This record gives sequence, C-alpha cells and structure tokens, in this order.
Amino acid sequence: GQQLNQSPQSMFIQEGEDVSMNCTSSSIFNTWLWYKQDPGEGPVLLIALYKAGELTSNGRLTAQFGITRKDSFLNISASIPSDVGIYFCAGRGGSQGNLIFGKGTKLSVKP
Amino acid sequence: DAGITQSPRHKVTETGTPVTLRCHQTENHRYMYWYRQDPGHGLRLIHYSYGVKDTDKGEVSDGYSVSRSKTEDFLLTLESATSSQTSVYFCATRDGPNQPQHFGDGTRLSIL
Repeated sequence: GQQLNQSPQSMFIQEGEDVSMNCTSSSIFNTWLWYKQDPGEGPVLLIALYKAGELTSNGRLTAQFGITRKDSFLNISASIPSDVGIYFCAGRGGSQGNLIFGKGTKLSVKP
Repeated sequence: DAGITQSPRHKVTETGTPVTLRCHQTENHRYMYWYRQDPGHGLRLIHYSYGVKDTDKGEVSDGYSVSRSKTEDFLLTLESATSSQTSVYFCATRDGPNQPQHFGDGTRLSIL
C-alpha cells in the first residue's frame, strides 16, 4: 500500500533556529496536509496544500507541495518553545480520498 | 476543533469485554473517521463513514465495527477487546471531498 516517509524522526534545537522537515511518498498525492499534535490532544491542522508547486505560509510556518506530487516540506522559522510537539504530514490520493499519515517528527526546543 | 467530542476520554477494561467509543460532531460534516495511534506507527485508519449508514473499512479494521445512524454520531465498537487494541483512538471529520480532516482530542483505551 501507499507509504509516507517522514524525516527527521526527531529534532532537538535551540530557540530561534529554523526547522525543516519533509515527507516523501512512493505514490502521487493530490493533497498534502501538515498537522501538529500536543501531548494529550488531537492533531491540529497547520497548512493544507492542493496544487503541485504550491507554497503556503501560516505565520512562521511555510509548506510546499512538491512538483512531482510525491513530496512536501514544512519549514518553521525562528522557533519558540511553544513549537514543541509532534508534526505530522498526511497525503491524500486514491479513489476514496483517505489520508495516509507520516510517522511524525518530534520537535524539542531549548530556551 | 470542528466541534468534535469523543467519549469517554479514558477507559480501562478487561480482555474479552465489549467496548464502545463515541464520536459526536456539531458541524454537520458528511465524512467521519476512526484512527488509532500507536508508537512507531503513527495514525492508522480503522473505519470511515461517508454518510449515514454508509461505512467502509480502513487499513486496520479487524476486531472493530462501526455504526452511523445519525450524521452527528459515529460509534466504534470492539466486540471482544484484546490487549493489542490498547491504544489512543482519534475521531476525525471533514466536510467535503477536498476539505481537510479535523480531529477530536482522543480516547485513551487500556485493555488489561
């Protein structure tokens, strides 16, 4: 079946640094979504991407839909302590349009 | 988010007992989903619904059943719980085919 490879698995950075994470797929997707999950809560949507090549920002977050439609990346600029959490990518493809999720990138930020 | 309430939020039960988890939404979204989240596996789809009484299996449906008798409610049932079903269960909804999914806050289920 379809698989997503999300990297890195974890990151431990200093406050103020920029962060980059990405997802790659063996299949083409027509939608890429990025979510953030805090402990004890459900994933919260950060950015949705619907077209190949699309670059979308949400505050300090920027995400891009790869032109091959098999990858996406998320950048966080000038990280702050509240950026701590697990970030998930998800791709949508196929006839049912269900999401396939990456296994997450755990971000830790040192003040 | 998206008016999704999951109940209970926590449950501990014994192997072999039936368990039902409830997802209630107030947004009138057509699509509803049940996922389980386990370390090392991320979020995996159990079952989903594309309308009242319309449901289908996801990637890890064995041992689970669902029902959707009203737009706002989507029930997940473990007929005879096993320890391998210890997990955190998330419900999600979305409005239309090109809309993103929004998640509830999860149910932590422990089966002893």
